[in-house]
Amino acid sequence: QQQVKQSPQSLIVQKGGISIINCAYENTAFDYFPWYQQFPGKGPALLIAIRPDVSEKKEGRFTISFNKSAKQFSLHIMDSQPGDSATYFCAASSRGSGNTGKLIFGQGTTLQVKP
Amino acid sequence: DSGVTQTPKHLITATGQRVTLRCSPRSGDLSVYWYQQSLDQGLQFLIQYYNGEERAKGNILERFSAQQFPDLHSELNLSSLELGDSALYFCASSPQGWGEQFFGPGTRLTVL
Repeated sequence: QQQVKQSPQSLIVQKGGISIINCAYENTAFDYFPWYQQFPGKGPALLIAIRPDVSEKKEGRFTISFNKSAKQFSLHIMDSQPGDSATYFCAASSRGSGNTGKLIFGQGTTLQVKP
Repeated sequence: DSGVTQTPKHLITATGQRVTLRCSPRSGDLSVYWYQQSLDQGLQFLIQYYNGEERAKGNILERFSAQQFPDLHSELNLSSLELGDSALYFCASSPQGWGEQFFGPGTRLTVL
């Protein structure tokens, strides 16, 4: 129930295209859903995050779509660029009664944007 | 740059040894998290501290321990190291005990 399932495992997109990565969760207590971007040899960098009281959040070319009833959320990268080539992780956390925000991560998606 | 610092960047050691990984959170952040990243297990939560106190524990082995000091930096101690402990270890910090977390650059541990 603590798992977050992420798909696809890898993705190849042409420059200018839309990259879409999906995640699904089971634990309805999750109340914070971030996406992280990781380049080789670097730490994960917070990209964008959403809480379950909204269905969509957009920051620049990055959009999170959230479907509470389906327990799914996705990351859309518009106008994908070669510089977006990285590994993307979805995650979820539950504040819970202990005020802990430990992140449960998806398995990651390796995105390659071809020029 | 997230503002979270970790040292050392790389660590190579032998089985059975003990190492200490250090993390300095962003200025003002009270909470520190430790995560392990390996190819087969992905990113796994190990332990969380908030203002010096342990707040949550994940899949952390008994051979591993951590603490957060009064100046809020944290150390992760790994002992009786095994080959399977080779991984990237990340520290993250957040202003409170939940919400946004900012990751450091990581420590790559290689156990030979």
